[in-house]
Amino acid sequence: RKEVEQDPGPFNVPEGATVAFNCTYSNSASQSFFWYRQDCRKEPKLLMSVYSSGNEDGRFTAQLNRASQYISLLIRDSKLSDSATYLCVVNRDGGSQGNLIFGKGTKLSVKP
Amino acid sequence: DTGVSQNPRHKITKRGQNVTFRCDPISEHNRLYWYRQTLGQGPEFLTYFQNEAQLEKSRLLSDRFSAERPKGSFSTLEIQRTEQGDSAMYLCASSLVLPGTETQYFGPGTRLLVL
Repeated sequence: RKEVEQDPGPFNVPEGATVAFNCTYSNSASQSFFWYRQDCRKEPKLLMSVYSSGNEDGRFTAQLNRASQYISLLIRDSKLSDSATYLCVVNRDGGSQGNLIFGKGTKLSVKP
Repeated sequence: DTGVSQNPRHKITKRGQNVTFRCDPISEHNRLYWYRQTLGQGPEFLTYFQNEAQLEKSRLLSDRFSAERPKGSFSTLEIQRTEQGDSAMYLCASSLVLPGTETQYFGPGTRLLVL
């Protein structure tokens, strides 16, 4: 099993749609979880951390299920500017970020 | 610009040559990370420093790869005897580790092409 697995997509959705991405991870020792966003030929940027209780930041909601080792990201009312690759990220060891493991990313394309 | 900077942004070299990349972290960030990203993949961790100490280097891809952070500020990544398979984007990230929190900020990367 790969350390972090994501559906590569692409997800092609119209503006205003709700879209959900899923991710699974294999290391039960991982303690920190994140979603990063990466635009074409740019560096990754932190979108949000993912907490056990679930967390929301505007149109973005992240969920974590430790028992199933599953992370999700929900984007509501999608905008053209949301078009990017979304990277699921976990840390390799317990504790703070440290050594991060990235998934391959899920590509999202929002169309007018 | 007070973000992470990397130089050069692009490097084309011939197989067998040595290359060195530089990363300047955000001022006062105590951790510095190096990653490699190939097309269609997420970034792959290589090594990291806490101040000047290299805390993890077992994931450097081969003994041709080495990194330094001599004064705990900027860092260099060197690849000796480059191979075509080394062609990739090399990303640097820095962070300030505080109790219970750490966020890595990435630089724009150095894109390497080995001919």
